Amino acid sequence: GQQVMQIPQYQHVQEGEDFTTYCNSSTTLSNIQWYKQRPGGHPVFLIQLVKSGEVKKQKRLTFQFGEAKKNSSLHITATQTTDVGTYFCAGRGSQGNLIFGKGTKLSVKP
Amino acid sequence: DGGITQSPKYLFRKEGQNVTLSCEQNLNHDAMYWYRQDPGQGLRLIYYSQIVNDFQKGDIAEGYSVSREKKESFPLTVTSAQKNPTAFYLCASSPWDRGNTIYFGEGSWLTVV
Repeated sequence: GQQVMQIPQYQHVQEGEDFTTYCNSSTTLSNIQWYKQRPGGHPVFLIQLVKSGEVKKQKRLTFQFGEAKKNSSLHITATQTTDVGTYFCAGRGSQGNLIFGKGTKLSVKP
Repeated sequence: DGGITQSPKYLFRKEGQNVTLSCEQNLNHDAMYWYRQDPGQGLRLIYYSQIVNDFQKGDIAEGYSVSREKKESFPLTVTSAQKNPTAFYLCASSPWDRGNTIYFGEGSWLTVV
């Protein structure tokens, strides 16, 4: 079945460093969503990308959707301790189902 | 407050027992979902429902059952047939199944002792 691969699984950074997580799908996605789950919490929606090549920014977070609509990335500039958590991408396939990546767990050392 | 309420937050179950996790939403959402989360496995879909009295199996439905008698409620029963039920269970809802964001409840931790 359709899968969304997300890398890396873990990322440890020093506060102030940048961070990027990547998602790749073998098939074209109609849209992709990003969620953040804080330690001990539940996933919270961050953003949705729909158009080919779309780029959206939320303060220090930059989200991109690939031209072929098969990949996406989330980039955080100058990480802060409040960025700690697991970031999930979720691609919506041709059948309308939402397929979650396994997530990237980010830890930030002060 | 509007949102999704899951209960209980923590649950311990003896082997061989069925247990039901509650999920209620007051967001007037049509679609509801149950996900299971294990460390390093991300979110796996157990069951989902787009309308009352209808539901579909997700990727890992074996050993689970659901009902959707009311729009607001989507309880999940973890049966004794589920071989490895210890996990974090997340209920979610969305306005309709396609093209919309999913809102998650706070989750329920189930431990089999």
